[in-house]
Amino acid sequence: AQSVTQLDSHVSVSEGTPVLLRCNYSSSYSPSLFWYVQHPNKGLQLLLKYTSAATLVKGINGFEAEFKKSETSFHLTKPSAHMSDAAEYFCVVSVRSGNTPLVFGKGTRLSVIA
Amino acid sequence: EAQVTQNPRYLITVTGKKLTVTCSQNMNHEYMSWYRQDPGLGLRQIYYSMNVEVTDKGDVPEGYKVSRKEKRNFPLILESPSPNQTSLYFCASSKEMGRGGNQPQHFGDGTRLSIL
Repeated sequence: AQSVTQLDSHVSVSEGTPVLLRCNYSSSYSPSLFWYVQHPNKGLQLLLKYTSAATLVKGINGFEAEFKKSETSFHLTKPSAHMSDAAEYFCVVSVRSGNTPLVFGKGTRLSVIA
Repeated sequence: EAQVTQNPRYLITVTGKKLTVTCSQNMNHEYMSWYRQDPGLGLRQIYYSMNVEVTDKGDVPEGYKVSRKEKRNFPLILESPSPNQTSLYFCASSKEMGRGGNQPQHFGDGTRLSIL
């Protein structure tokens, strides 16, 4: 069965320092993978997606993620955190079987300290 | 502007009183879906629709109904709401969601339901 594990429920960084949000997936097929961001009282917004093209994917707001098949990981990074990056982040994997096309991770809350 | 619109944004109601949360998208998307978000559980899919008149159960369909009579609308119906359905609900849409599932989702801003 396909699954997604976000390894940290909460990450706290200082403004200007790097961000790393970790995501591992399990899939029997070559997956499509997404990262979404959710700001308070808002819906989810797509940050970036991987669909079997380049393994290093660049997204909006300076975020990027690297697909590593050997490690079944899709970690989200940003070189320098900004206060506006404080939000909830979700890793999502698409599946090719079963009842639901998408599986969401439980989310990682990113706090940015001034 | 491309958007997914949910109404109402907030609703407090009582057990057993039927309610409908509407969802409309203006992007001519084939795929639409409903999720509920609960603390510590992330987003869980309730129902989804691949196209008009085609709906399927997600992970947590019990207590909910949906319909897809038009491409743009995908209402969520709670026939007899109960307190365990108190949650934050999101509607989403995307272009055709084949089994490859590589289309990004567009989300509404959410509906916060409280069932007393």
